[in-house]
Amino acid sequence: NAGVMQNPRHLVRRRGQEARLRCSPMKGHSHVYWYRQLPEEGLKFMVYLQKENIIDESGMPKERFSAEFPKEGPSILRIQQVVRGDSAAYFCASSPPGTGQEKLFFGSGTQLSVL
Amino acid sequence: GDSVTQMEGPVTLSEEAFLTINCTYTATGYPSLFWYVQYPGEGLQLLLKATKADDKGSNKGFEATYRKETTSFHLEKGSVQVSDSAVYFCALISGGGADGLTFGKGTHLIIQP
Repeated sequence: NAGVMQNPRHLVRRRGQEARLRCSPMKGHSHVYWYRQLPEEGLKFMVYLQKENIIDESGMPKERFSAEFPKEGPSILRIQQVVRGDSAAYFCASSPPGTGQEKLFFGSGTQLSVL
Repeated sequence: GDSVTQMEGPVTLSEEAFLTINCTYTATGYPSLFWYVQYPGEGLQLLLKATKADDKGSNKGFEATYRKETTSFHLEKGSVQVSDSAVYFCALISGGGADGLTFGKGTHLIIQP
């Protein structure tokens, strides 16, 4: 029973490029959450998605960031025109239906480095 | 807004020592409180939780008690092992969870043999 799978583990981009981070939730989980951990900071909530729906994106920066969770395939966090300040660890988590964030399972994260 | 403050690390202890990692919080309403652990190269795992005042969460020898009067949720273990070396995050969720978990900055624990 695979856990939450994130790829790539490490992603290097130059300023102005696009970054695409993928997350496959645990089998049977229909809720996906993205968190960002800046250096020396705690994890910060970004967005909460269910299949084909964005439920809460209150933590997402207003520009350049978007997320989706299509009917088929992994959830994608997309960052356009990356800047150095986007360098961080991005964690995805999933939860079973009906448990909300009381029972989150996290992936190992994607470390994004912007040169 | 909600916030979590935990002691800064790294915390270095010898094997079999007693562990306390302090965590205090500010939140609206009555939050649920959590400790997550992140072992090297892995994602965060839920270690324990407590959902109301005076509840005690426990798992793998770790304990934490929800203290509403002091707004604290300190993590304790009576005898640590080298395998407990990890980063520990205190977190809370309130207001129905609409805004996600609020995490502390994490405390890096190093246990020496």
